[in-house]
Amino acid sequence: KNEVEQSPQNLTAQEGEFITINCSYSVGISALHWLQQHPGGGIVSLFMLSSGKKKHGRLIATINIQEKHSSLHITASHPRDSAVYICAGFVASGSRLTFGEGTQLTVNP
Amino acid sequence: EAGVTQSPTHLIKTRGQQATLRCSPISGHTSVYWYQQALGLGLQFLLWYDEGEERNRGNFPPRFSGRQFPNYSSELNVNALELEDSALYLCASSLLVGRGSETQYFGPGTRLLVL
Repeated sequence: KNEVEQSPQNLTAQEGEFITINCSYSVGISALHWLQQHPGGGIVSLFMLSSGKKKHGRLIATINIQEKHSSLHITASHPRDSAVYICAGFVASGSRLTFGEGTQLTVNP
Repeated sequence: EAGVTQSPTHLIKTRGQQATLRCSPISGHTSVYWYQQALGLGLQFLLWYDEGEERNRGNFPPRFSGRQFPNYSSELNVNALELEDSALYLCASSLLVGRGSETQYFGPGTRLLVL
């Protein structure tokens, strides 16, 4: 079983829709990172959270430590949000990131 | 402030050759991480350097190695290249030793193609 499981693998939405991407993680992960990867390969770090909720513009990330679950929400989605979103867990014992498989998001105009 | 830079952007090698990839972290960042993203596969942790020392490595053979220089820039070396080493290699840096609570800033990556 992977240390980080992400769903869905693919997501297609219409512009303006509310989007949710989910991430479940295993014991031993002390922090959760959400990353965005554009077609050229460049990766941008969106959020890092170990508790609660963070918001940046139209993006919201939440984490439930008891359930070992995190979600990334995009409100009022836009075609420019189309990218791969990756959930990554920080494994404290090894000081390394372990990655989910990614969610390919396509937002159609 | 300049971001993480990597060179070269693309690299083509043949099987058995050696590849050297370079990374310059954000000024002031002491930790450098290397990741591999093979085609169709997710990101995998390769190596972590901090203060010039290798702190951790992922599940990769010894022909993947590297070093970190006194100015905190880093080099990834891949010896005896195999076809399956073809991948996007990403470098990231962070401000403090990787305790998990620091954001990692990623470079644009080096695309390595092994023929």
